Amino acid sequence: EAQVTQNPRYLITVTGKKLTVTCSQNMNHEYMSWYRQDPGLGLRQIYYSMNVEVTDKGDVPEGYKVSRKEKRNFPLILESPSPNQTSLYFCASSLWGQTATDTQYFGPGTRLTVL
Amino acid sequence: EDQVTQSPEALRLQEGESSSLNCSYTVSGLRGLFWYRQDPGKGPEFLFTLYSAGEEKEKERLKATLTKKESFLHITAPKPEDSATYLCADPNDTGRRALTFGSGTRLQVQP
Repeated sequence: EAQVTQNPRYLITVTGKKLTVTCSQNMNHEYMSWYRQDPGLGLRQIYYSMNVEVTDKGDVPEGYKVSRKEKRNFPLILESPSPNQTSLYFCASSLWGQTATDTQYFGPGTRLTVL
Repeated sequence: EDQVTQSPEALRLQEGESSSLNCSYTVSGLRGLFWYRQDPGKGPEFLFTLYSAGEEKEKERLKATLTKKESFLHITAPKPEDSATYLCADPNDTGRRALTFGSGTRLQVQP
């Protein structure tokens, strides 16, 4: 089954304790992206990657890191989490075609709480 | 800057009561529009991509249409399982390919 998976699905942590949220897709997609979703603010892009070893900032990159060492995986790293990073996080992937209308498929989400 | 506005914010329907959701957008050039469905605590689920004004797409009880300024998601004879938040999104035609989402319409269908 074609899908985007994320782990963990739920995480409660404390300020300053480094964490990684994993994202994996089995559709051989070039493009991957991380979003966060907050009430009243909607979905906002954190980082994206056009292919292996190619990553760049989205709208809200502060406090986050990413890496893209393999085509299927795109982990999100919070080196020193803070309470304002409490949010619902989604990973998405798509083909990297000629236009922007390649469908982005989303993972099931990771609910992060930083105390 | 691209803007996507959805209305209404919330909609409560009786089972079988048809209605429409609106998505209006202000973009520098129409590149198409996505519709997604999102259940509470879950990831957005892709429904449709509309590429040009005049285009229509259907899936079960849902039909999406697109004009030069807005898109409609028509729900015909909805069932309780259609209850969800419906999001429309503008595909940002830059390197980032970030989707600009509307705030969504929360649909509740009562039996």
